[in-house]
Amino acid sequence: DAKTTQPPSMDCAEGRAANLPCNHSTISGNEYVYWYRQIHSQGPQYIIHGLKNNETNEMASLIITEDRKSSTLILPHATLRDTAVYYCIVPNQAGTALIFGKGTTLSVSS
Amino acid sequence: DAGVIQSPRHEVTEMGQEVTLRCKPISGHDYLFWYRQTMMRGLELLIYFNNNVPIDDSGMPEDRFSAKMPNASFSTLKIQPSEPRDSAVYFCASRAGRGSGQPQHFGDGTRLSIL
Repeated sequence: DAKTTQPPSMDCAEGRAANLPCNHSTISGNEYVYWYRQIHSQGPQYIIHGLKNNETNEMASLIITEDRKSSTLILPHATLRDTAVYYCIVPNQAGTALIFGKGTTLSVSS
Repeated sequence: DAGVIQSPRHEVTEMGQEVTLRCKPISGHDYLFWYRQTMMRGLELLIYFNNNVPIDDSGMPEDRFSAKMPNASFSTLKIQPSEPRDSAVYFCASRAGRGSGQPQHFGDGTRLSIL
């Protein structure tokens, strides 16, 4: 299974873009990259996922490098409610098991 | 659309008692997962089912833990007898099997305290 590396914490000013990086240098060609976040002790919330191409939805954008060894989650206009732990995950090849690391704690302040 | 529904939201019981956690997955989802979250170990996968059949239970900590999925709309995680070290938040998640890259969707969890 691919391992991911994320910075332990990041700060962002409200209204600015939050760019959360993730390294997954051992990812294989058919493995997706998933992003989840967890606010307080709520259940992890799915944000976005991608394989090769950049992806965008109503919550965020995902930029994947051409070699697929890293990606960046972009929250275009961060709000206080975006304060959470953000997890970058590459599941096993079957796409079944999600292995959660420590993630990045994003703090959005006014 | 209703998401993954877990019950109870909170459970406090004494050591040695049987505990049963319940989960209703999203309708039409073929996979169901049970996770446990503690401060020490973070979020860890306990077991998952595909089409109601247990596929991988290697994360189940010991024989005191058991999980069942009698039908596509219901699963239970049982601890008998319970111990204080079982105190944690237990999450259930489900995902559709069809289509590659389908994400898992999580319930709000059951916060379990064993006294």
